[in-house]
Amino acid sequence: QQQVKQSPQSLIVQKGGISIINCAYENTAFDYFPWYQQFPGKGPALLIAIRPDVSEKKEGRFTISFNKSAKQFSLHIMDSQPGDSATYFCAATSLGGTSYGKLTFGQGTILTVHP
Amino acid sequence: GAVVSQHPSWVICKSGTSVKIECRSLDFQATTMFWYRQFPKQSLMLMATSNEGSKATYEQGVEKDKFLINHASLTLSTLTVTSAHPEDSSFYICSARTFGGGPETQYFGPGTRLLVL
Repeated sequence: QQQVKQSPQSLIVQKGGISIINCAYENTAFDYFPWYQQFPGKGPALLIAIRPDVSEKKEGRFTISFNKSAKQFSLHIMDSQPGDSATYFCAATSLGGTSYGKLTFGQGTILTVHP
Repeated sequence: GAVVSQHPSWVICKSGTSVKIECRSLDFQATTMFWYRQFPKQSLMLMATSNEGSKATYEQGVEKDKFLINHASLTLSTLTVTSAHPEDSSFYICSARTFGGGPETQYFGPGTRLLVL
């Protein structure tokens, strides 16, 4: 019940295209859903996050769509750039209880943006 | 701001030796730090949660006697891999959460790559 399932494992898009990465969770106690970007040999960096009281959050070229009833959320990268090439992880956590702030990560998506 | 450093960035050691990895929050106080391990092309797996001044809480399946965690100050946590073996070779990443902050204030270090020969 703690799993977060992420797809696809890898994604190749052309420069200027839209990259879409999907995640699904099982634990209904999760109420905070961040996305992280990780470059090779580096730690992950927070990209954008959403709480379930909204269905969409946009920051620049990055948008999270959230479907609470389906327990799914996705990351959309508009106008994808070669510099966006990295591994993206979705994650989930609970903002209360004994698991407060403990992140459960998805399996990761390797994004390659061709120039 | 909100920078987390790790030292060393990579380490090679012989099987049976112990290795200490440091995680520091450089410009903020962190009452809680987390330790993760990541195998190549895989996800981050939480190993333990470290709270300043108290014992670490280990995730199921993580040997607490093998992975010793000490969080002696508000800016420093250490992970010691005792009697390391080749299967302990991995990328170890720490994160630090700002004092009183939520998960959005959890910042990750650059990671330490451990290779046990």
